[in-house]
Amino acid sequence: GQSLEQPSEVTAVEGAIVQINCTYQTSGFYGLSWYQQHDGGAPTFLSYNALDGLEETGRFSSFLSRSDSYGYLLLQELQMKDSASYFCAVIGQNFVFGPGTRLSVLP
Amino acid sequence: DAGITQSPRHKVTETGTPVTLRCHQTENHRYMYWYRQDPGHGLRLIHYSYGVKDTDKGEVSDGYSVSRSKTEDFLLTLESATSSQTSVYFCAIKENEETQYFGPGTRLLVL
Repeated sequence: GQSLEQPSEVTAVEGAIVQINCTYQTSGFYGLSWYQQHDGGAPTFLSYNALDGLEETGRFSSFLSRSDSYGYLLLQELQMKDSASYFCAVIGQNFVFGPGTRLSVLP
Repeated sequence: DAGITQSPRHKVTETGTPVTLRCHQTENHRYMYWYRQDPGHGLRLIHYSYGVKDTDKGEVSDGYSVSRSKTEDFLLTLESATSSQTSVYFCAIKENEETQYFGPGTRLLVL
């Protein structure tokens, strides 16, 4: 089977940096994706890692270590609009999503 | 937004009644998915389709059936709704090997 773990909640202040971790157990792994979901909205794609290392997209970066079955999403220069839930997802035959991390950004 | 719509957006129904949710896409994507989202569980796959009349079960398929008679439409049916099926339902398409795009969701309340 497949399982993913993420912290349930993270709180940070505007302008800070926050890291959201994701560990996974899976059979059949092509990569790790991250999605953002604002309250009442649909999940939207943020980033994807197929290989070990860091991928940077603006203020957001995502890291993967396949040997450790571990990844993280790094959000820099936090803004109030970054308050949302963040999901990691293992890409295999299908997508398997983690339980999500709720990020609260305080002024 | 990959041209995905869901209908209805909100529905209240009673236990034991049948319910059908519709997902419509305008961009001819081969793969379509139905997920349910509940607090603490993230998104869980119910059923998916890899072409017209080609469907398969996901992680939480019990109590649900699907049909895909046209590329653009993927229907999810609850044959006899139960309170445990109260949830938010999302449809998604696979844009490529690494990306799914989601519809706006349907909030279903089963009383």
